[in-house]
Amino acid sequence: GAGVSQSPSNKVTEKGKDVELRCDPISGHTALYWYRQSLGQGLEFLIYFQGNSAPDKSGLPSDRFSAERTGGSVSTLTIQRTQQEDSAVYLCASSLRITEAFFGQGTRLTVV
Amino acid sequence: AQSVAQPEDQVNVAEGNPLTVKCTYSVSGNPYLFWYVQYPNRGLQFLLKYITGDNLVKGSYGFEAEFNKSQTSFHLKKPSALVSDSALYFCAVRSGYSSASKIIFGSGTRLSIRP
Repeated sequence: GAGVSQSPSNKVTEKGKDVELRCDPISGHTALYWYRQSLGQGLEFLIYFQGNSAPDKSGLPSDRFSAERTGGSVSTLTIQRTQQEDSAVYLCASSLRITEAFFGQGTRLTVV
Repeated sequence: AQSVAQPEDQVNVAEGNPLTVKCTYSVSGNPYLFWYVQYPNRGLQFLLKYITGDNLVKGSYGFEAEFNKSQTSFHLKKPSALVSDSALYFCAVRSGYSSASKIIFGSGTRLSIRP
């Protein structure tokens, strides 16, 4: 596709359940980022993949959060045993190495 | 460690007046600087960037930004504000030192343009 695609666009889950969020980056982009945005707030960095290098996981808030990027393309962010404080919009972005990043529309996660 | 500061949570400007949204940064090596805009219920849109070259960079929708190395600033400006410019604006930085450097965003500034 032409842009970064995220799915689902909305996800409502019960507290304690696991969720998977998917990101399809722009074709050919070697870098992929995950951020979290609470209502109307700033962007909290979660994780960064760059080519075949080890990902920068320094922003993951707890060991309940993990992410993988298969084949250098699609990425999945997994949140285990979801908590209400995990409710936020999860944004994915991709870029060519060190240039600007382009964002998807996000996945709005609500934990009830 | 890299960081970005947007000291103003909100900026209010009358339509037709010039606007400035402030940003300062801290990074190792040369900075790569970006501005993004977020309209309500929309994703982030890239506005402009500074990588190297002229300190004044021009971007989308008539916006421009000035890189000031001595003040470690990258303020966003527009000569004449429009009501449609009302949105949430984010400054971002990455280190040009390494491709392993992530992009870090500021906390955002809400720009409100009154008719």
